[in-house]
This record gives sequence, structure tokens and C-alpha cells, in this order.
Amino acid sequence: TQLLEQSPQFLSIQEGENLTVYCNSSSVFSSLQWYRQEPGEGPVLLVTVVTGGEVKKLKRLTFQFGDARKDSSLHITAAQPGDTGLYLCAGPYGQNFVFGPGTRLSVLP
Amino acid sequence: DVKVTQSSRYLVKRTGEKVFLECVQDMDHENMFWYRQDPGLGLRLIYFSYDVKMKEKGDIPEGYSVSREKKERFSLILESASTNQTSMYLCASRRGVLNTGELFFGEGSRLTVL
Repeated sequence: TQLLEQSPQFLSIQEGENLTVYCNSSSVFSSLQWYRQEPGEGPVLLVTVVTGGEVKKLKRLTFQFGDARKDSSLHITAAQPGDTGLYLCAGPYGQNFVFGPGTRLSVLP
Repeated sequence: DVKVTQSSRYLVKRTGEKVFLECVQDMDHENMFWYRQDPGLGLRLIYFSYDVKMKEKGDIPEGYSVSREKKERFSLILESASTNQTSMYLCASRRGVLNTGELFFGEGSRLTVL
């Protein structure tokens, strides 16, 4: 059982559609991070959310941290092919970070 | 432009061979990490280092060792490669306190053990 669960595991959509992916845990986290990993590259940090209920926007991407700090969501408006990649959530655990298994998003032109 | 560089993007080795994966960062970060990435399992921490010559086991250290002789360089060693070590290996670095701040990743090294 993973400390951080992500859903869906795979998502394939057409350009222009909206989508939401989720990161859930039974544990409380002081913060959560979202990374995007494009094919053939390492993950790159998109955002860190630190306050329960917090909403952060990054152009067409909207990130929300749950009130109880056990979950987070990422909403993409009008998805583009450049959004294709693996979306990973991560949270502090002990001395380091724990990662979820990721949501693999494919946006078709 | 800050950078984490991994020495090999693709490697093919035979069972029992010794494998070195090298990682260099140019950001003067104290902390460096080695992860392996497998489909459906996310990133799992193998070893990390918070200072030169210091190393700590992560979640899956068995079959691996590491070396950090200089601040900018962190090497992962597979003493005797096995087929279950076929995976993508990611090196990362971070400044400051271990479980805060941004992780900067290299492009990854895809290892196949035959």
C-alpha cells in the first residue's frame, strides 16, 4: 500500500478538454508538491501547496490542497499536447519525500 | 541554468557485472539522492547524502551502494547487477533541510540487465 495514491493511473484526452487528477492519502501532510515528467526527462517541480484549502494557479493549471491536508488535485483547463507527461505528487515523509505512482496523461491533437 | 547531469542515458549490462552510475550537480546543493522509477510504483528512494562522505539508506538500498567524495558528485554502484535491477534511475539534488524545498532531477539513466 502506497502512502500517496494517485488517480486515474492513465488518462487520454483530446486537445481542448478539461481534466482533473487526484492525489490522496490517509495521512496528513505539511505540504504537497506536484511534478511533471515529460518523456525522456526527469521530473520538474510545478508547485508546492502548504496551507489546507489553498488554491494555486499556474496558467491553465489549478492546484488545490485539501482542507484536511490529506489530498490534492490538479485541474487542467483546455489541455494541450504540451501537457502530455507523467504527473507526480510528493509529500515530506521522515527525512525525505514520498512520491505517488503518478498519472500518465496523453493529450491528443 | 541549474543542472543535474547523469553520465549515461542508456546502459545494457549482463547479470553479475558491476555498474557505476554517476551524477553531478552544479548548484552547490548539500543533499543528493538516488531514486529508481518503475511503472506503477512511482519513485523509490535508494540512498541519499546530506554532506560529503555522508550517506544514508533510503527505502530500497539492498543491492546498491553509493559514494560521495565531492560535494557535486554522487555515484550509485551496483556491485553485481541482477535482472530485477532493470529500471530507470534518477539522481536529484536539493538545497538545505532534507524534506523541504524543490528537488532538481537529472534526465535519468535507463539500465537494462540481461
